[in-house]
Amino acid sequence: QKEVEQNSGPLSVPEGAIASLNCTYSDRGSQSFFWYRQYSGKSPELIMSIYSNGDKEDGRFTAQLNKASQYVSLLIRDSQPSDSATYLCAVNPGTYKYIFGTGTRLKVLA
Amino acid sequence: SAVISQKPSRDICQRGTSLTIQCQVDSQVTMMFWYRQQPGQSLTLIATANQGSEATYESGFVIDKFPISRPNLTFSTLTVSNLSPEDSSIYLCSVGDRGNTEAFFGQGTRLTVV
Repeated sequence: QKEVEQNSGPLSVPEGAIASLNCTYSDRGSQSFFWYRQYSGKSPELIMSIYSNGDKEDGRFTAQLNKASQYVSLLIRDSQPSDSATYLCAVNPGTYKYIFGTGTRLKVLA
Repeated sequence: SAVISQKPSRDICQRGTSLTIQCQVDSQVTMMFWYRQQPGQSLTLIATANQGSEATYESGFVIDKFPISRPNLTFSTLTVSNLSPEDSSIYLCSVGDRGNTEAFFGQGTRLTVV
């Protein structure tokens, strides 16, 4: 059973701090990795995709991938209350299916 | 990224009835997927909608309960049949492709069965 694991949270950080969200996956053959943000009652919105080891930065967001450790993370710098949402990690193991984690709920405290 | 229109956005249905959800994409896509998100849970793939052939269902989901149509490369429907309160969920249409392409989601349909 291919799995994607996330801490459900909530993860609470003060406004302006760095939020660090983590995800592990079981399928070593996984090829692409995604972070989605989901506000309550809304559909998931793609934030970042990452395909190779290392860091990928986009504005306040940095995705980090370590395939040897089967670990992917998302850093949010200068966290804002509007970043409060559930963050879903998703993995594409090279098939057409996307496997989602259960999500981490982030709360940014003003 | 593709623009995905999903409707209805929400509905309240009587048990025993059916609800058909539509998903329209503004461009041709290879893959269309249907997910379910139960309250407080993550996304579970119901099936892949295949153009011109029967949908491919995941374990625990069957065609009689979740019939899917995909008449062309831009449109699909999911029907949730013989509704029970356990079917109360958000249903999401998603499009993607093989390889390293991101998956994008429609707005979702919030179904409440009473």
